[in-house]
Amino acid sequence: QLQLQESGPGLVKPSETLSLTCTVSGGSISSSSYHWGWMRQPPGKGLEWIGTMSYSGNTFYNSSLQSRVTISLDTSKNQFSLKLSSVTAADTAVYYCARRINTAGGWFDPWGQGTLVTVSS
Amino acid sequence: DIQLTQSPSFLSASVRDRVTITCRASQGINTYLAWYQQKPGKAPNLLIYGASTLQSGVPSRFSGSGSGTEFTLTISSLQPEDFATYYCQQLNYYPLTFGGGTKVEIK
Repeated sequence: QLQLQESGPGLVKPSETLSLTCTVSGGSISSSSYHWGWMRQPPGKGLEWIGTMSYSGNTFYNSSLQSRVTISLDTSKNQFSLKLSSVTAADTAVYYCARRINTAGGWFDPWGQGTLVTVSS
Repeated sequence: DIQLTQSPSFLSASVRDRVTITCRASQGINTYLAWYQQKPGKAPNLLIYGASTLQSGVPSRFSGSGSGTEFTLTISSLQPEDFATYYCQQLNYYPLTFGGGTKVEIK
């Protein structure tokens, strides 16, 4: 059974770069059948898609974050990562990683348990 | 960007009630819509994909329908474990977007 687990600092200072890693177990990220993505949820609010990356290296980012976001894959570690630069308090959220099925209209399943990142000095 | 409007945003219901949640898209998205259930402190859990296909392991009291711009999630007989927040997500156009959520609480 595929499982995803987010990891990274829980506290980031304003203007710095948020870096998170998603470790995938029970399956390989080196598959053309799937894409790998990040979502976030500010406390008490709704969900926002951040971006997605395919095994072949194609990336798709939310235009609202595109200038600050980078998603990358590390197939040797079966991990993928999120970097979000120049963070502000508005980036405080629970960050989720998830697998996306690579088909038209592909959905996200499963999701990691999420990790809270607070932006504060 | 595609806007998804969920209604109602809050719903109070009793066990065994039939519950329907609507998700309207600002433009047509074919059937490329998913529904997720989220409980407090937990990650979203996929219920329905392709607007109407039940994810494996999800109880059959959940069903989805619709295409184009109007979609519904129905719980045929609400159970205690169904009290949660439900989100729709469109998967047809980038950026992928979510509805604002529907919180289902116990009456």
